[in-house]
This record gives sequence, C-alpha cells and structure tokens, in this order.
Amino acid sequence: GAGVSQSPSNKVTEKGKDVELRCDPISGHTALYWYRQSLGQGLEFLIYFQGNSAPDKSGLPSDRFSAERTGGSVSTLTIQRTQQEDSAVYLCASSFRDRDNNEQFFGPGTRLTVL
Amino acid sequence: AQSVAQPEDQVNVAEGNPLTVKCTYSVSGNPYLFWYVQYPNRGLQFLLKYITGDNLVKGSYGFEAEFNKSQTSFHLKKPSALVSDSALYFCAVKGGYSTLTFGKGTMLLVSP
Repeated sequence: GAGVSQSPSNKVTEKGKDVELRCDPISGHTALYWYRQSLGQGLEFLIYFQGNSAPDKSGLPSDRFSAERTGGSVSTLTIQRTQQEDSAVYLCASSFRDRDNNEQFFGPGTRLTVL
Repeated sequence: AQSVAQPEDQVNVAEGNPLTVKCTYSVSGNPYLFWYVQYPNRGLQFLLKYITGDNLVKGSYGFEAEFNKSQTSFHLKKPSALVSDSALYFCAVKGGYSTLTFGKGTMLLVSP
C-alpha cells in the first residue's frame, strides 16, 4: 500500500518568504507528526496530531511555525517569514493511535533551503 | 525530561563481523524504545521496538537489540554485518504518553 508522501521534495526560497509543506499520511493512521532534521542534530519534534484532539505544539520553535490537519488526514506545515536557520529536512510521520506505542512510518521528507 | 544518547557519531565495521550501535536513555517510568534506520535521501524506516516482555528484541534485516534496565541501554546488534547495512541509525525513547525523543544518530559504515 501507499506510504507517507510529502511534497514538495525540495523547496528553495528566499529569506522572508512564507512556505507550505504538505504531508499525506497512511490511510487509517490517526496520529501524525512533524519533525525537523538538521545536520548533526538528529530529529527535532515539532508538532503532533491525534485524531480530533488539540495538537501538541510543544516542539514548534517559534510562532512563525504553524501546522494544521484537515479532515483528520492531510497536514500542512507553514513557516512564515523564513530565516536561514530554518533550512533543514522536514519529515512527516504517521501511525495508528500513539498511546499504543505503535511505530511511526516516515515520509521521504522535504528539503528546505532558505537563501 | 526524557533523552537519548548515542555516544558514537560513527561506527566502522568490516563485512561479516558483528556490529553494535550503542544507545542509552533517560525517561520517567517505563521506557518504550525504538530503532530506526535512514538510508541516503530517504525517510526513516522502523527496525524494531521494545515495549515489554523479553529483553532481547528481534527486528528487520537480522537486527536485534537488548533492553538492559539497570544500565538504561538499548544497544542495536547484528551478528554479521553487510555492506548494505551502511546507513544512519537512530535510537528513540518515549515514556507513557509523551512524544518520541530521538538520539542524534550513528552513522554505520560497513567496509567490504
């Protein structure tokens, strides 16, 4: 079956512009996560959605970052007024209900470069 | 706060030799532990997890990991390494209903 998909695969933008990154989770997965992967920094948790519950936004680094999940499926991560330090690979993952400690399935990521 | 340490940035091993990638963790309560692998320009792939039960967990591609509560460790092992095992390996932990915390990753290089 189809895995987690993300678009675009690469995004180059100018400092100060807004960007939107999209994630399509695996059908039937109620949990969706966004992470940021920077060189040498591992994976940094950004935000977590579980069903219709309020998202856990505790990992968002600033108020320039926001995310939404429409209809319990597709999610969009928005970065406003991008800065050079936002350059990274943004990974999306989905799983069955998180509280059951199910493994997460990752998409291929979006590589964001801010010039 | 929960945390994961992968003390080695890189591990080098010859093909056919056993490999170990180290991971230690800190978490409140019972730990739930995971290993993921990332091949170049790819997302992470799940290898194995420890939730409860036997301390030795077997996973994909011949990998296994041993949960050691007293040493708070969850080292990844494989009896005989393959060149195709060369990749970036991440250990991750969560406690209770918290979110998953990843280590910084260990690059495994298997030489022919």
